[in-house]
Amino acid sequence: DQQVKQNSPSLSVQEGRISILNCDYTNSMFDYFLWYKKYPAEGPTFLISISSIKDKNEDGRFTVFLNKSAKHLSLHIVPSQPGDSAVYFCAAPLRGSQGNLIFGKGTKLSVKP
Amino acid sequence: DTAVSQTPKYLVTQMGNDKSIKCEQNLGHDTMYWYKQDSKKFLKIMFSYNNKELIINETVPNRFSPKSPDKAHLNLHINSLELGDSAVYFCASSQGLAGGLVYNEQFFGPGTRLTVL
Repeated sequence: DQQVKQNSPSLSVQEGRISILNCDYTNSMFDYFLWYKKYPAEGPTFLISISSIKDKNEDGRFTVFLNKSAKHLSLHIVPSQPGDSAVYFCAAPLRGSQGNLIFGKGTKLSVKP
Repeated sequence: DTAVSQTPKYLVTQMGNDKSIKCEQNLGHDTMYWYKQDSKKFLKIMFSYNNKELIINETVPNRFSPKSPDKAHLNLHINSLELGDSAVYFCASSQGLAGGLVYNEQFFGPGTRLTVL
C-alpha cells in the first residue's frame, strides 16, 4: 500500500523550460513533505520541504506547492538546467516515528540542452 | 569531508553468509536510519535509532539487526543472507524531530550495493 505516489516514472524537459514533478499521498496524517534528489551511485540529497501549514515554499529555482484537499504536491524547477537531471523522490515523515521517511518511487528527470 | 559514510560500497557474497555494513556520521546527529532500495527502486525505511529508542519496520526480517557502538555509528548486521536481500542499502542521519511540525532533513550516505549469489 503506497502512501506516497509518484505516478510518472520519467520526465523529459528542454533546458530553460519549467519542470513539474508531481506527488500524491493517501495518508491524511502526513503534515510535512520533502523532496530529495538522487544522482546515480549516490545517496539522496535534500532539496526542499514544506509544512502542511503552508501551500507554497520557494528556494531559488525550486518551488514546492501543496494542495492538502487534493492530497497533492508538486515540485517546480524554473529554469531547468542539464545538471538537474536526476531522480527526484517525494517523501513524508511517518508520525509517531523518529522522522522515518516514506518515499515515493521517484521520477527520473532528464533536462536536454 | 564526508558527512555520512558507508563501507563497503559494494558487497558480493554467497547465500547463507553473515555480513555487516558500517555507517558513520560526523554531523553530531542523534538519530540514524537504515533504508533499503530494492530492484523496483523503492526506498523503504528499515530502522531508525537514537540513544533512546529503536524503531523497527515490521516488515524487516529479524535476520537484520542494527548495532550502535556509539552515537556516530549505526552498523547493519545481516544473518543467513538470502537472494532477496540483494539491494542498495542507505544509511542516513538527522538531528531528529524538532517538535511540532518541523522535521529535520536526513543526510544520506552513498549507499552499499549488496549482491547475494
